[in-house]
Amino acid sequence: NAGVTQTPKFRILKIGQSMTLQCTQDMNHNYMYWYRQDPGMGLKLIYYSVGAGITDKGEVPNGYNVSRSTTEDFPLRLELAAPSQTSVYFCASRPPGQEETQYFGPGTRLLVL
Amino acid sequence: AQSVTQLDSHVSVSEGTPVLLRCNYSSSYSPSLFWYVQHPNKGLQLLLKYTSAATLVKGINGFEAEFKKSETSFHLTKPSAHMSDAAEYFCVVSPLTSGTYKYIFGTGTRLKVLA
Repeated sequence: NAGVTQTPKFRILKIGQSMTLQCTQDMNHNYMYWYRQDPGMGLKLIYYSVGAGITDKGEVPNGYNVSRSTTEDFPLRLELAAPSQTSVYFCASRPPGQEETQYFGPGTRLLVL
Repeated sequence: AQSVTQLDSHVSVSEGTPVLLRCNYSSSYSPSLFWYVQHPNKGLQLLLKYTSAATLVKGINGFEAEFKKSETSFHLTKPSAHMSDAAEYFCVVSPLTSGTYKYIFGTGTRLKVLA
């Protein structure tokens, strides 16, 4: 298993540009999550999904969109990039069951100039 | 409402001395609690977790944590620090009643290990 993979590793965007951060997991996990990590802070939840076709907002969803057409993929879309979206983005997945934990991808570092 | 407070943003220890990273939580219901470690420019790795079983939890790399309900604490300890322990550590709470199993992160503690 590759686990949770994210692409790209690093990207520079200009203000107003759009992009999609890709997240794929090969563990057949139902639950998937997108977080952002700002310097000196913990991770904040952007969006999450409890299964294909079902998504919901987290703490900081403004400026982002997601879709979940398959179990494996959970892309995060930035439509109009702003400097405030400069951050490191982590995707995570989790199987069902109360005792389970989240597995994190390696992250995507995004710089908006 | 659930929350997590990591009481120290930075901790420095000498190699070979004990490590204590402090975490307090607030939760209306019995939560699951986790410690994750993040090495520079890396993703997050699970160190250990508490999920309503034994209150003293052992994790990887010699770390352990004790769940104390009366003190609402889940402090992380290690008897002897190693240089490779230098990293950022996150305490995380996940309320058991949440069907979405969302995580709430603390702001992190950066551990520095001095030679």
